[in-house]
Formats: sequence, C-alpha cells, structure tokens
Amino acid sequence: GAVVSQHPSWVICKSGTSVKIECRSLDFQATTMFWYRQFPKQSLMLMATSNEGSKATYEQGVEKDKFLINHASLTLSTLTVTSAHPEDSSFYICSVTWTGLDTEAFFGQGTRLTVV
Amino acid sequence: AQRVTQPEKLLSVFKGAPVELKCNYSYSGSPELFWYVQYSRQRLQLLLRHISRESIKGFTADLNKGETSFHLKKPFAQEEDSAMYYCALPGWGNFNKFYFGSGTKLNVKP
Repeated sequence: GAVVSQHPSWVICKSGTSVKIECRSLDFQATTMFWYRQFPKQSLMLMATSNEGSKATYEQGVEKDKFLINHASLTLSTLTVTSAHPEDSSFYICSVTWTGLDTEAFFGQGTRLTVV
Repeated sequence: AQRVTQPEKLLSVFKGAPVELKCNYSYSGSPELFWYVQYSRQRLQLLLRHISRESIKGFTADLNKGETSFHLKKPFAQEEDSAMYYCALPGWGNFNKFYFGSGTKLNVKP
C-alpha cells in the first residue's frame, strides 16, 4: 500500500490571502497524485490530477488559476488556493493510486480550510 | 462519461438487521467498481473492490451489469459499521483517478 500525508491538517486564513497545502507520498513514488474537494456531508469531487514534472490536469469547472497545483517531485504535490474566499472553505483531500496487482487509491487525512 | 449514483443520503438500521447500500453507475465499457468507507475522524479507505469478489467485514457487493448496479450488502449490521460509504469507479481511459458517488451515511443503532 501507500502512506499519504497532508499538511496542515487544518488552516484558517483571511479572505484574499493564499494558502498552500502539501501532500506527501511517504513510501511510494507517485508520478501522479489527485486532489479532491469534499463539502460538508457531501461527496468527494475530483478537482485535478497532479503530474510530476508537468502541468496539472483540471476537471471541468475547476479554475486552474484559483487552485494552483505543483508536483515538483515524485513524493510531493502542493495545492495553493489563491486569493481565498469564504466559499473556498472546504475539506481538501489528496490521494495516490497504487497500481500493483490490484488498483487501490490511498488517501491523505485531509486538510480543513476555513476562510474568514 | 462515467457517473456514480447513490440514491440514499442516510440509512438507519438496528443492530443485527440486514443492510443494503445502493449504487448505480454509468460507464462506457467494463467498469471496475469499488466501495470506500470513511469512519468518524478517519481517512477514506478501501472496503472492497468487485474484481476480487471478496467479503470484507461481512460486506459483499455484486456487480450487476444488466442493472448497472453495485449494491453493498451485509446480512447483520453491527454498530461499528456506522460510517460514510462511497461507491467509486475509475476514470474512463485513466484508471488512476476515481469518481465517487455522493455517499451514504450508515447509522447502526443499538
């Protein structure tokens, strides 16, 4: 399996500021990582695919200039929420997919972002 | 396009009662379907995948291609089964990313 760690676990920021969330694959080199957003009591919505050494691939309707993704190494992807607004408040989760004998997604513990 | 539907937001049963969490999908081709579970204050984790046809924690799920369903079942629910359950399938053409249903909260009462 894979161990995925996010930092920070929670963050509060002021409107208009930017916030960076880190996602690390601790024991698995991941050429791709995935970022999800989870609203309270709702499903996970896939936001984007983070590609090591190249541009992220965003899902339809996700603003790439708003949610900047950088995947500088095989073990680290970062999501930066730029010019945050209260409506960006959410739970952000990253994952890596293990494609050994069986496919399985492993998830970070998530980051709770509150924009005030 | 791939899509997963879980019609029930909340399912509440008594301990020992049978449980069925519904999942329907639309997908071009042969899907590989998964059930993920999120216990309170824990991260999302895999419960079972249809391809392995296994029973995990007493749960089973059968892929019904005719009805495009992948319902999760357990004959006798336990209190520790209380959690959020998500049905998921991989992206078409990209099996590394997943699309999730809206989730069903299972509440097992004593």
